[in-house]
Parts: sequence; structure tokens; C-alpha cells
Amino acid sequence: AQKVTQAQTEISVVEKEDVTLDCVYETRDTTYYLFWYKQPPSGELVFLIRRNSFDEQNEISGRYSWNFQKSTSSFNFTITASQVVDSAVYFCALRVGSSNTGKLIFGQGTTLQVKP
Amino acid sequence: EPEVTQTPSHQVTQMGQEVILRCVPISNHLYFYWYRQILGQKVEFLVSFYNNEISEKSEIFDDQFSVERPDGSNFTLKIRSTKLEDSAMYFCASTPPGGFYNEQFFGPGTRLTVL
Repeated sequence: AQKVTQAQTEISVVEKEDVTLDCVYETRDTTYYLFWYKQPPSGELVFLIRRNSFDEQNEISGRYSWNFQKSTSSFNFTITASQVVDSAVYFCALRVGSSNTGKLIFGQGTTLQVKP
Repeated sequence: EPEVTQTPSHQVTQMGQEVILRCVPISNHLYFYWYRQILGQKVEFLVSFYNNEISEKSEIFDDQFSVERPDGSNFTLKIRSTKLEDSAMYFCASTPPGGFYNEQFFGPGTRLTVL
């Protein structure tokens, strides 16, 4: 079975704090893809990053960084020096290679509130 | 930059009525999807569509639901007889050619309210 777990339902931080959003996934496929999406209060889903299962390099994009560890089946997302505009719901998602449709399996989401 | 569009942004309907949610995927994309998100919950897969047919559907996608790509640009989701529990945000998404491992581009969503 494929599953994504985001154990943190809500996180509240003060601006400029660093925050890490956890994502743990389950799949028996050896080929899979992991994604993070941001859902701001306006409701749309904004793509942030895609990672495939063969590439465990961590990635940094500005204040965002991602830590992919196959050994723990985790794909965590860190925001450095958080800002109020980072307040949103963040979803981790999985797409398995054996799927012939590429559907995304989402986690429950983590609501991040950044206070000024 | 091309984007997925959805209309209407908000639809209110009475229980038992039929609704059609419309999407215009990005023009050269080949894979199309509908997802829904009940308020405060996670995004759930409904159906995928490729080469003019359904390639996969979830348990949620029962006989009350249907999809169509009537004219090569629009992609519609029809709910035949809406129920209260169909109230949700419905997202359309599409993926470019080159494989479905590419990211899915989501539309802004249609909020469906069933009274």
C-alpha cells in the first residue's frame, strides 16, 4: 500500500524562526516520486519541489530546503527564517512508478502559521 | 506562463441536482486529473484521464461521476445527482508530455457547495 503521513497537524512559529515539516511515506515500489505543494489561504495548490527515488541529494532553493532520506522513508521540508507569507497548508505527496496514471497520494497536510 | 483554469470558482447547488465542473488544462498536456478536497482535509484523487479514456479511478468516483474531454481543450467533471457529502473543493490538474513523473499543474479549484 502507498501512504503519506504528515504527523504535524499544525505548527505555529514566530517570524524568522526556522521550521521543519515532516513527511514519511510508504511504498514498496523502488521507483517513486515525492512532491511538496503549498496551499495558501486563497486555496490553490502551488508546486514546490519534485524528487525521484534515485536522487537522495538534498536541495536548497532560497529559504527552502528538502532532506530526502530513503533509509527512514522521509522527505522533510525546512523553511529558514520564516516569514508571514509562508503561512499556508503544506502537503507532501507520493507518486509511484508502478502506477500507469501518475496519480498523487497526498498526506493530511501541515498547517503552518507564522506570526509577526 | 500557461496555467490550468477552472470554472466556475464557486458553485452552489441543491441536493439531487446535476453539476458540471469545467477545466481547461494546459494546451500541450496529455494527462488529466480530478482531485477533491473536503474542507480541512487532504487532497484525494478521483480520476485520471489519458488518450480520451479513464485510466484510473478511485473508490470515490462512483456511477454518479463522469468525465469528458468533449472538444480537445475542455475537461469536465459531471456529478449526476449531488449529495451533501459532495461539498468540497475540486481541483483539475494536468501533466505535460514526457511522462507522468513530471509535476502536475493544478488549477485554482472549484468550490462546490451542496445544500
